[in-house]
Amino acid sequence: DTGVSQNPRHKITKRGQNVTFRCDPISEHNRLYWYRQTLGQGPEFLTYFQNEAQLEKSRLLSDRFSAERPKGSFSTLEIQRTEQGDSAMYLCASTSGGGQGYTFGSGTRLTVV
Amino acid sequence: QKEVEQNSGPLSVPEGAIASLNCTYSDRGSQSFFWYRQYSGKSPELIMSIYSNGDKEDGRFTAQLNKASQYVSLLIRDSQPSDSATYLCAVNGDSSYKLIFGSGTRLLVRP
Repeated sequence: DTGVSQNPRHKITKRGQNVTFRCDPISEHNRLYWYRQTLGQGPEFLTYFQNEAQLEKSRLLSDRFSAERPKGSFSTLEIQRTEQGDSAMYLCASTSGGGQGYTFGSGTRLTVV
Repeated sequence: QKEVEQNSGPLSVPEGAIASLNCTYSDRGSQSFFWYRQYSGKSPELIMSIYSNGDKEDGRFTAQLNKASQYVSLLIRDSQPSDSATYLCAVNGDSSYKLIFGSGTRLLVRP
């Protein structure tokens, strides 16, 4: 068990470009969550998957954001036409359910210039 | 809108003292409560969970829950400079297990 893995750790992109992040959860965890955190704030829920099904999306997840979890394993979060307001830490977490709390990955820090 | 409120701090305590961190939440249906520690530039790390009223102790940490008052607290005994971090309170209340986080309290432990 190597924990939740996120790639890349850092991403700098120009406004208007598309970016994609990857999350590899703990292997036996069937639930996977994406959060976004900006400076001085707590993480904000974006979306979650149970196995391959995306069960809930936050209003924060505009049409420019899309997430997938093919085959219920790793997940990707894509942001199209990035804006400066998208600059944040994007966090992935996984759990087997039961309300025990999450293990977060190390996050991907996105900077849009 | 479900909310979790924390004092942003910083809370400054001397080394060896007890640090007391507080959190209130708005959703009476909340079932699970968590404290995460976050060092600057790092991701949150789960340090305590509590599910029923009362106290739960784990080493130097004690979580306290009062559902009637919608209040959760974290006590850190014998505070160390390495405890200096932001502490995030998180609450879960539905079957999605998604967490609602407060904005965190920054703790500074002075040597």
